[in-house]
Amino acid sequence: EAGVAQSPRYKIIEKRQSVAFWCNPISGHATLYWYQQILGQGPKLLIQFQNNGVVDDSQLPKDRFSAERLKGVDSTLKIQPAKLEDSAVYLCASSWGQVFKEKLFFGSGTQLSVL
Amino acid sequence: DQQVKQNSPSLSVQEGRISILNCDYTNSMFDYFLWYKKYPAEGPTFLISISSIKDKNEDGRFTVFLNKSAKHLSLHIVPSQPGDSAVYFCAASATGTSYDKVIFGPGTSLSVIP
Repeated sequence: EAGVAQSPRYKIIEKRQSVAFWCNPISGHATLYWYQQILGQGPKLLIQFQNNGVVDDSQLPKDRFSAERLKGVDSTLKIQPAKLEDSAVYLCASSWGQVFKEKLFFGSGTQLSVL
Repeated sequence: DQQVKQNSPSLSVQEGRISILNCDYTNSMFDYFLWYKKYPAEGPTFLISISSIKDKNEDGRFTVFLNKSAKHLSLHIVPSQPGDSAVYFCAASATGTSYDKVIFGPGTSLSVIP
């Protein structure tokens, strides 16, 4: 079974630039998550999709972050404009169904450095 | 407001001995707990979970203990192996509430010394 695919692996940008991350979940997984992990902290949920609908985006800074999940499969997360404090690893995860029952499968993440 | 706490940023243990990783939580609504393990440059992988209706769950060398009255859980690894060296995240969720999502602690970095 192929795992969660993410790209790019690394990204370095200047502040105020824009950046986009891509995620392809495990085939058949209905739920997709984007997490932000700042160095020394645990992953923090940014947005959760159930198929192509948003279930939870309460912690997504909507003035600069946006995400979509096309046709309930792939997803992109965009930051525009980036700030220094956005430097983090962005993790995509997927699961079969409801988060409290199902374990999450994570991708390797995209490490973003904002200079 | 850190709802899931792992107060030990790092832990070193000799190979073959027991590793005990601790986790405390503040939200009494949490009813499902998970441990994830993360190697450098990889995403976290699920290790073991426990529901609040239990006080212990075992899977091979890994055992998780839950003390609801103390809002405390611990992960025991016996015996510890060098391949267990990783960052361990404690996570929690609360079914059917606004916390019905996985909230992670900051992690504990475990080093198992050969």
